[in-house]
Amino acid sequence: EAQVTQNPRYLITVTGKKLTVTCSQNMNHEYMSWYRQDPGLGLRQIYYSMNVEVTDKGDVPEGYKVSRKEKRNFPLILESPSPNQTSLYFCASRRDRAGANVLTFGAGSRLTVL
Amino acid sequence: QKEVEQDPGPLSVPEGAIVSLNCTYSNSAFQYFMWYRQYSRKGPELLMYTYSSGNKEDGRFTAQVDKSSKYISLFIRDSQPSDSATYLCAMSLGGSNYKLTFGKGTLLTVNP
Repeated sequence: EAQVTQNPRYLITVTGKKLTVTCSQNMNHEYMSWYRQDPGLGLRQIYYSMNVEVTDKGDVPEGYKVSRKEKRNFPLILESPSPNQTSLYFCASRRDRAGANVLTFGAGSRLTVL
Repeated sequence: QKEVEQDPGPLSVPEGAIVSLNCTYSNSAFQYFMWYRQYSRKGPELLMYTYSSGNKEDGRFTAQVDKSSKYISLFIRDSQPSDSATYLCAMSLGGSNYKLTFGKGTLLTVNP
């Protein structure tokens, strides 16, 4: 089944404790992206990657890092999490639909930083 | 002015009602317009997409784009309880620009 898989789905951590949210897709997509979703703010892009070893900042990159060493994986790294990074995170990859930039999303990772 | 505006609702309708969901936008360069549906505790999934102005129909769902007014709509006919979800509009410039700009989403509840 074609999908985007994120882990963990739920995580509670404490301020300053480094964590990584993994993302993997099995569709051979070149473009991948991370979003966070917050009440009243909607989905906002954190980082994106056009291909292996090519990453760039989205709208809200502060406090996050990413890497893209393999085509299928795009982990999101929080080096020193803070409470304002408590959010619902989505990884997505792009499929080309007649030029439209259609994203396939993972199921989400709910992160709480205490 | 926000790039994409969407009434967050919530919207509650009886089963069988016609539902109208709307977004306005400010960037006239947007070319592709999408609607995503997000069930509780799930990721968004694509419902429909359209290119430029016009209508597109898929079963009970119709998407409309009016670029002159910078206004897009999603109509749901004969709404069902299974349609209860958050509906997100999204737009992109197309071409080599892959970024999607989302509305904040409208929470819809269809009551049996």
